[in-house]
Amino acid sequence: NAGVTQTPKFQVLKTGQSMTLQCAQDMNHNSMYWYRQDPGMGLRLIYYSASEGTTDKGEVPNGYNVSRLNKREFSLRLESAAPSQTSVYFCASSLSYQETQYFGPGTRLLVL
Amino acid sequence: GIQVEQSPPDLILQEGANSTLRCNFSDSVNNLQWFHQNPWGQLINLFYIPSGTKQNGRLSATTVATERYSLLYISSSQTTDSGVYFCAVGRDDYKLSFGAGTTVTVRA
Repeated sequence: NAGVTQTPKFQVLKTGQSMTLQCAQDMNHNSMYWYRQDPGMGLRLIYYSASEGTTDKGEVPNGYNVSRLNKREFSLRLESAAPSQTSVYFCASSLSYQETQYFGPGTRLLVL
Repeated sequence: GIQVEQSPPDLILQEGANSTLRCNFSDSVNNLQWFHQNPWGQLINLFYIPSGTKQNGRLSATTVATERYSLLYISSSQTTDSGVYFCAVGRDDYKLSFGAGTTVTVRA
């Protein structure tokens, strides 16, 4: 039982490049989330998926797209990376919105 | 969104000491969670506590929803308690608002 897994752990991009961050959970959770964490700040919600087949914007969605591939997997795509997207990205999952959220180990992204 | 304020921003403790962390929020909530981020960056959920009191070992938490605050108590602190403690709140949707965190350093 791995919980929430994320790949890659670390990535360096040049401005304008694209990439996809992968997230998978094996807890049979319905809801999944993508957050970003910037130095000295709490986490901010980028996008979430309440259930398989649905996605919605969070607090800071600009510059990102998401795909809920199936119940287990939720990916985050940066189409044209910008230095402002340098951050640590966390994926999380929960049974529903009023339930405990479980986090993956994070992906550290540097955009040059 | 709901505003979340955590205090103090930083806390330095001697091993064995007790401490209280506070989380104030600007609106009524029905979802409140406490997380610990260890020095390696991993986020661990400590409590799901929209109201009432819960205890887990040396940690306990109390939320007084009517007065819009929650408290996290750490007793007999250990060096492994070091890290950042986050409070996150929400109401009737999937969006959690996080506070800026309290950085706790426990010295041996």
